Amino acid sequence: ETGVTQSPTHLIKTRGQQVTLRCSSQSGHNTVSWYQQALGQGPQFIFQYYREEENGRGNFPPRFSGLQFPNYSSELNVNALELDDSALYLCASSSGTELNEKLFFGSGTQLSVL
Amino acid sequence: GENVEQHPSTLSVQEGDSAVIKCTYSDSASNYFPWYKQELGKRPQLIIDIRSNVGEKKDQRIAVTLNKTAKHFSLHITETQPEDSAVYFCAALYTGGFKTIFGAGTRLFVKA
Repeated sequence: ETGVTQSPTHLIKTRGQQVTLRCSSQSGHNTVSWYQQALGQGPQFIFQYYREEENGRGNFPPRFSGLQFPNYSSELNVNALELDDSALYLCASSSGTELNEKLFFGSGTQLSVL
Repeated sequence: GENVEQHPSTLSVQEGDSAVIKCTYSDSASNYFPWYKQELGKRPQLIIDIRSNVGEKKDQRIAVTLNKTAKHFSLHITETQPEDSAVYFCAALYTGGFKTIFGAGTRLFVKA
């Protein structure tokens, strides 16, 4: 059973640019959630995808968008990057059963916006 | 709105002592409360969870308690060891089942 993998591990962008982060879910999981974790803070819910459809969204602007593919892998896209977007972006997969309870996290992508 | 508050933000204990972290949640319909441990530079990992139909759950040195009426839940670590040093996050699964909301975290230091 393979775990959740994310790429890239680190990324440096400048303000105004666009970025795409990738996540491969754990084998057997059909649900992917994305979180933003600023330094010293808890993970903040961005959105969740279930069977290729957005299944819920947190308090993030539309320039944060996502996709889920038929193999349940997922992308997070952020347009018009701002300095405050600098954070660790975590992807978590879950089984889609019993209310999508247990989250299995990837190691994250550390995004720095200069 | 949906919120999970966590206290304290930092906790320092002597090896062998107990540590307690407390959380409150806002949505009375929440029915699942996990705890995650995040070591420095690593991913958060689930260490224990509790459902709303249970008041207490124990797994070796860690235990969680839930007071649904007061919307409080707590993590108890007994006989702390240096390897328990990490950031601990409480969380609540909100109605609809798709949104897990996290607390701000507690940084636990266990001094040898």
